[in-house]
Amino acid sequence: GAGVSQTPSNKVTEKGKYVELRCDPISGHTALYWYRQSLGQGPEFLIYFQGTGAADDSGLPNDRFFAVRPEGSVSTLKIQRTERGDSAVYLCASSPGLAGETGELFFGEGSRLTVL
Amino acid sequence: SQQGEEDPQALSIQEGENATMNCSYKTSINNLQWYRQNSGRGLVHLILIRSNEREKHSGRLRVTLDTSKKSSSLLITASRAADTASYFCATDSNDYKLSFGAGTTVTVRA
Repeated sequence: GAGVSQTPSNKVTEKGKYVELRCDPISGHTALYWYRQSLGQGPEFLIYFQGTGAADDSGLPNDRFFAVRPEGSVSTLKIQRTERGDSAVYLCASSPGLAGETGELFFGEGSRLTVL
Repeated sequence: SQQGEEDPQALSIQEGENATMNCSYKTSINNLQWYRQNSGRGLVHLILIRSNEREKHSGRLRVTLDTSKKSSSLLITASRAADTASYFCATDSNDYKLSFGAGTTVTVRA
């Protein structure tokens, strides 16, 4: 596709359930990022992939959060035992190289997660 | 934690007026970027200014950077209703991770 694709666009789940959010980056982009955005706030960094490996997962809030990118393209963010505080918009972004070199991150529309 | 802070939090202007928003940050940077986010949508890159640049223009956008004060400003000239959005500054303290501020919400009244 032309842009970063995220599915689902909306997810409502119950506390304690498991959730997967998918990101399909722009073809050929080696760098992939996950951010979380709460209402009225800016995006907060979660994890960064360069190729298949998680180069920096320092933003993951706890061990209930995990992300994979097994073939260096599509990435899945996995949240176990969801809590109400996990409710937010989860944004995925990709870039052709390092953000500091190429500048721009290309963002998807986000997956809005609501935990009841 | 968020590196940048935008000021003001919200801004309401009449169509045709200029909109100015500021960003302050804490640590040394390689570059600073501005993004726009329409309600319920993803972020769109507007402009990047490198740490050795002081001013940059792109269409109706003008960005300044003062590394001594650790601050940047974004000016939108001759605003339009379509400029209504939230605007975020983003800084990189290393080569790959962008840290975003809380944003300025701009409303342009017709």
